[in-house]
Amino acid sequence: DAGVTQSPTHLIKTRGQQVTLRCSPKSGHDTVSWYQQALGQGPQFIFQYYEEEERQRGNFPDRFSGHQFPNYSSELNVNALLLGDSALYLCASSFGQGTSGANVLTFGAGSRLTVL
Amino acid sequence: GNSVTQMEGPVTLSEEAFLTINCTYTATGYPSLFWYVQYPGEGLQLLLKATKADDKGSNKGFEATYRKETTSFHLEKGSVQVSDSAVYFCALSDRHAGGTSYGKLTFGQGTILTVHP
Repeated sequence: DAGVTQSPTHLIKTRGQQVTLRCSPKSGHDTVSWYQQALGQGPQFIFQYYEEEERQRGNFPDRFSGHQFPNYSSELNVNALLLGDSALYLCASSFGQGTSGANVLTFGAGSRLTVL
Repeated sequence: GNSVTQMEGPVTLSEEAFLTINCTYTATGYPSLFWYVQYPGEGLQLLLKATKADDKGSNKGFEATYRKETTSFHLEKGSVQVSDSAVYFCALSDRHAGGTSYGKLTFGQGTILTVHP
């Protein structure tokens, strides 16, 4: 049973460019959350998608946007990239909004973004 | 707002030594508490969890007890192995009145553990 898969694994962009990261959740999961992990730091919550809608959002600017598709997969888009956006972007999936199961997250290995 | 504070790292131990990684939290509501582990090149994996005060989470020889009076959730293991070398993250998730949860986790900064043979 495949877990959470993310693509691409690594990518390099320059300031001002736009990037799209992709995530396929674990089979049976319907909720996708995105986290940003800067080097040496813990993951920070960006936003969460459930039923194709953004349900919760952390303290990230509107340059960060996302989408969830009918098959539960998700994309994270970042516009007008800044040097400070360089980080590991983690996708996590879960099942059972509103239940304790919603807290049991399965994480992907991440997409490492470098902005030059 | 919610926050999680972990002990400063890195932590370096010899094999079979006792491990403690301290974690304290600040939260409103009724948080659930977690320890996640991140091995090099891999995503975070749930190590253990506790959902209410005095609960003890345990897995693979690791334990942590939810202490509401001290707002702590310290991770312990009696005898570490080289294979335990990884980054350990303490985290919390709000659990609202009525027990509903929505999976938004707040993480600590992580503690690097290195175990030598």
